Amino acid sequence: QSVLTQPPSASGTPGQRVTISCSGSSSNIGSHNIYWYQQLPGTAPKLLIYANNQRPSGVPDRFSGSKSGTSASLAISGLRSEDEAEYHCAAWDDSLSGWVFGGGTKLTVL
Amino acid sequence: QVQLVQSGAEVKKPGASVKVSCKASGYTFSSHDINWVRQATGQGLEWMGWMNPNSGNTGYAQKFQGRVTMTRDTSISTAYLDLSSLRSEDTAVYYCARTCRGNGCAEFDFWGLGTLITVSS
Repeated sequence: QSVLTQPPSASGTPGQRVTISCSGSSSNIGSHNIYWYQQLPGTAPKLLIYANNQRPSGVPDRFSGSKSGTSASLAISGLRSEDEAEYHCAAWDDSLSGWVFGGGTKLTVL
Repeated sequence: QVQLVQSGAEVKKPGASVKVSCKASGYTFSSHDINWVRQATGQGLEWMGWMNPNSGNTGYAQKFQGRVTMTRDTSISTAYLDLSSLRSEDTAVYYCARTCRGNGCAEFDFWGLGTLITVSS
C-alpha cells in the first residue's frame, strides 16, 4: 500500500483535459512540495512537475500541477496519444523521514 | 549533459547480495544527493534511501534497514547500492536518481536507465 493515493487508471480522448489526483496527509503533501513524474513504457521516470506547479524546461505547458491541503492534482490539457504513460506523484514525508510515492496512474488515450 | 549510468542486469540466488553502481557525469557529483528507487513489474515506485556524496551520510527507508548499504567513490563519481539477504520479492528494476536537497528545487530531475535485478533459485 502506497503512502500517497492515486487512482490506478485514467483515460481521455485526444484534445480532452484530464486530471490525476494524489492524496496524502499532513506529514507529506500537507507540509511539503509535490512532484510529478511521467513514465513511458519500459523507460525511467521523467520529471514533469516540481515544487507543486513548476515545469522543467522542455515540458509543454499542457501539463500543470496544483496542491490544496493534503491533496494534489496533475492536469493535462489538449490530450495527445504520446501522453499515454504511467504518472507518479511524490513528496517528502516527515513521519517516515523519507520520500514517498503514489502507486501510479496509468493514463490511456482512447 | 547530466547522466547517471548504471551497471548491468544481474541474476542472484535467494540469500545472496547484489551491488549496483551508478556513475554520475555532467555535473558536480557532490552537489546532489543520490537516491535509489525500485520498481517491481507492474508496481509503483518504491524509495529505498538517499546518500550525500560529499559527506557519505545516508538515510534508509525503514523497510530496508539492516539489508541496504549506500556508498560512494568520489574519485570516480560513482554511487553504489548494496542489498543483502535477497529474496524473490526483491526482483525489480533499481533506479538511481539525484535530488537537490529542498528549497523548491527540482527533485529527482535525472534518473539512471535502471538495473534489473532478478532473484531466482
